[in-house]
Amino acid sequence: KAGVTQTPRYLIKTRGQQVTLSCSPISGHRSVSWYQQTPGQGLQFLFEYFSETQRNKGNFPGRFSGRQFSNSRSEMNVSTLELGDSALYLCASSLEAGRKLFFGSGTQLSVL
Amino acid sequence: GESVGLHLPTLSVQEGDNSIINCAYSNSASDYFIWYKQESGKGPQFIIDIRSNMDKRQGQRVTVLLNKTVKHLSLQIAATQPGDSAVYFCAEGQAGTALIFGKGTTLSVSS
Repeated sequence: KAGVTQTPRYLIKTRGQQVTLSCSPISGHRSVSWYQQTPGQGLQFLFEYFSETQRNKGNFPGRFSGRQFSNSRSEMNVSTLELGDSALYLCASSLEAGRKLFFGSGTQLSVL
Repeated sequence: GESVGLHLPTLSVQEGDNSIINCAYSNSASDYFIWYKQESGKGPQFIIDIRSNMDKRQGQRVTVLLNKTVKHLSLQIAATQPGDSAVYFCAEGQAGTALIFGKGTTLSVSS
């Protein structure tokens, strides 16, 4: 069974731009969660989608958004990028929220 | 708000020693706890999990202990190997909500 796939692996953007990250979950997993990982803050929860609906949301500004498609694939978007948005963005899928997550390798975003 | 924290940011052990990584949680409503291992350049990998109706669970070379009275979780790694060097995260959750992660402990194993 294929794991969670995230694309792209690396991204370099400049301040003010926007970016879209993609995630393909494990087949059969309907829950997709996104986390931001930085050296000082660990893994911070962004949002969780289940059957195309956002069910849980973390404490991030509205510049961070996401969506889930009918095939469970998910995208997250960050608009008006700031230097502090530089981080590893991790996508994870699971059978249900609040239980074992299977993580992708992440997208490393650098904002210059 | 609720948070999950680890007692030590770093832990250094010798190959062959047993390692113990600790974690404190604050949400008494959490009913699920899990440990992940993250190696450089990779996403977190599942190690072991435990539900709140259990106190102990064993895997291959790993044991998780849960003390609900003091809201404490620990991961024990037997006969630690250099390949165990990584960052370890604990997380807590409830059904239908997000898993909340602690900041991580870096385990360094020297041979």
